[in-house]
Parts: sequence; structure tokens; C-alpha cells
Amino acid sequence: GENVEQHPSTLSVQEGDSAVIKCTYSDSASNYFPWYKQELGKRPQLIIDIRSNVGEKKDQRIAVTLNKTAKHFSLHITETQPEDSAVYFCAASDDYKLSFGAGTTVTVRA
Amino acid sequence: GAGVSQSPSNKVTEKGKDVELRCDPISGHTALYWYRQSLGQGLEFLIYFQGNSAPDKSGLPSDRFSAERTGGSVSTLTIQRTQQEDSAVYLCASSVNRVSEQFFGPGTRLTVL
Repeated sequence: GENVEQHPSTLSVQEGDSAVIKCTYSDSASNYFPWYKQELGKRPQLIIDIRSNVGEKKDQRIAVTLNKTAKHFSLHITETQPEDSAVYFCAASDDYKLSFGAGTTVTVRA
Repeated sequence: GAGVSQSPSNKVTEKGKDVELRCDPISGHTALYWYRQSLGQGLEFLIYFQGNSAPDKSGLPSDRFSAERTGGSVSTLTIQRTQQEDSAVYLCASSVNRVSEQFFGPGTRLTVL
């Protein structure tokens, strides 16, 4: 089955700086890569996703890049704000079954 | 519109008891998923329902776990003879179809004493 590894497990950044989270996957058949944000005590919510036919996707301050050859994808958050503090999960899928990374706890320092 | 809902939000039970967790998906969503989130861990796939097709039960950790989906809508996850290692947050998600965005419910926090 698919195995997704996520790094780092914790990330502390100064407000206004950028944050980068990296994930690798094992199954070359995976073609869908969503990122979820989970605030403390809340449900996971999709913030951005990418499919294997594109290499990069951007939505305001958030971007995701995908390297299918190396089997890794990354989340980039620019101009971080206090409300970006949360746990972020990457996932990979070749159909309906999402395999999740262990999560990255992001803390934005004011 | 209303999102995915789950009940109860919290459940404390004694070891050996059975528990039932409920999920109400978004209306019209044909796909429904159950995940388990242990403390500090990612989400672990448990089971998937798609319309009237046979469910994918490949993620269920033991035969103490079962789930059903009645009428293509509400789903219940049943854990029999609960063990302390079953303590976790159980999340339900639904999607329009098998390859579209999954929307999560708020989860049920299960604590087995």
C-alpha cells in the first residue's frame, strides 16, 4: 500500500516568514495529493490539492508543488499569519483511499 | 448547506463494552469514509462506502470493528468488546464521488477506560 512520510513534524516561524512542509510517497500510481489543515479541536479542512497532470498550483498565499519523478510534493505558505497556526496533513491517493502523513504542527510567532 | 455531522461528540466507555458511532454525510454525497486519528498521528483509513457497491473494509484493524451504511446515507461504526488501544478520534468524511474532495465531520472522541 501507499506510505506517506511528512517532514518536519513541528515548524515554528516568525509572522510574515514562509513555511514549507515536505511529503514523500511510495506508490507511483498515486495521482491526487490534497493538503488538509486541522485547527485544535476542529475537523480537517482541505486547503489545496494537486493532481499529477500539473507540477504546481497556487491559491493566494498557499502553493503546492509536485515532483512525480522523485515522488515528493510540498506545501508552501508565504507571509504567514497567526491564523495559519494549525496541524497540516498531506495525503496521497490513486483512487478514493487517502493515505495521510503524520502531520506538521505549525506555530506562527507574533 | 449542512456539513457532515457525527454523534456523539465524545464517548467514554469501559473496556469490554460495545460502542456505536454515527455519521450523517452531506446530502447527495455517494461516497462515505471512516478514519481513525490517534493522538499525534495522521488519519488512518478504516472503511469506504460507495453507493450500493460492496464496501472496502481493508482498513478495519480487527473483526471487532464493523460498519454499515443504511439507505445510502447514514453510517454507523460499531466497535465490539472495546480495548484501551481503541481510544482515538473517529472521523467520518463524505464526497460527491470517489475521486472528489472529502469533507470531514467533527469526529467522535472515544475513550476506553
